[in-house]
Amino acid sequence: ILNVEQSPQSLHVQEGDSTNFTCSFPSSNFYALHWYRWETAKSPEALFVMTLNGDEKKKGRISATLNTKEGYSYLYIKGSQPEDSATYLCAFSTGGNEKLTFGTGTRLTIIP
Amino acid sequence: DVKVTQSSRYLVKRTGEKVFLECVQDMDHENMFWYRQDPGLGLRLIYFSYDVKMKEKGDIPEGYSVSREKKERFSLILESASTNQTSMYLCASQTGGLSSYNEQFFGPGTRLTVL
Repeated sequence: ILNVEQSPQSLHVQEGDSTNFTCSFPSSNFYALHWYRWETAKSPEALFVMTLNGDEKKKGRISATLNTKEGYSYLYIKGSQPEDSATYLCAFSTGGNEKLTFGTGTRLTIIP
Repeated sequence: DVKVTQSSRYLVKRTGEKVFLECVQDMDHENMFWYRQDPGLGLRLIYFSYDVKMKEKGDIPEGYSVSREKKERFSLILESASTNQTSMYLCASQTGGLSSYNEQFFGPGTRLTVL
């Protein structure tokens, strides 16, 4: 079973501050890296799917980078807002027909 | 918008009962998945299906079975519920064959408590 680690496990950030967190995965046999946001009482929603080393993706105030050679991805949130409070999950795949392996998530709380 | 629905948000069952968790998606997706989520463990794959009547074991299939008689519906069955199956169960669907390039769309989850 692949080991996907996310850090930190939880994070409290003041509204308006920027923040980032990490997803680490095995650097061999990389195929795809997914980021999902899971708000309380809602369904997890996809943020990004990243496939190439050096990929950078952006959606509004949220962006992500990918380093497949060293096995990590960063998720950045600029100017945090209360609606950013959620658990952020990353998931990793070793092949096109392979299932996703999820990390345990980073639980982000924005303090108004 | 893709919609994935699950039959119950909360469910309480007794040890030994047979439990059915239903999942329906409305976007004609080929692939469907069942996960469970427990504190500190992340989402773990129980079973998945990439076509009608097809099923594949995930990482933790013991104690579970699945049924996919129609493309839009994927059912998770607990043959004899046990207390260690108390968990949040999430269903997901995905298009595009089995390509992990494609995002998964999740249902809202069913929180199952087995007493």
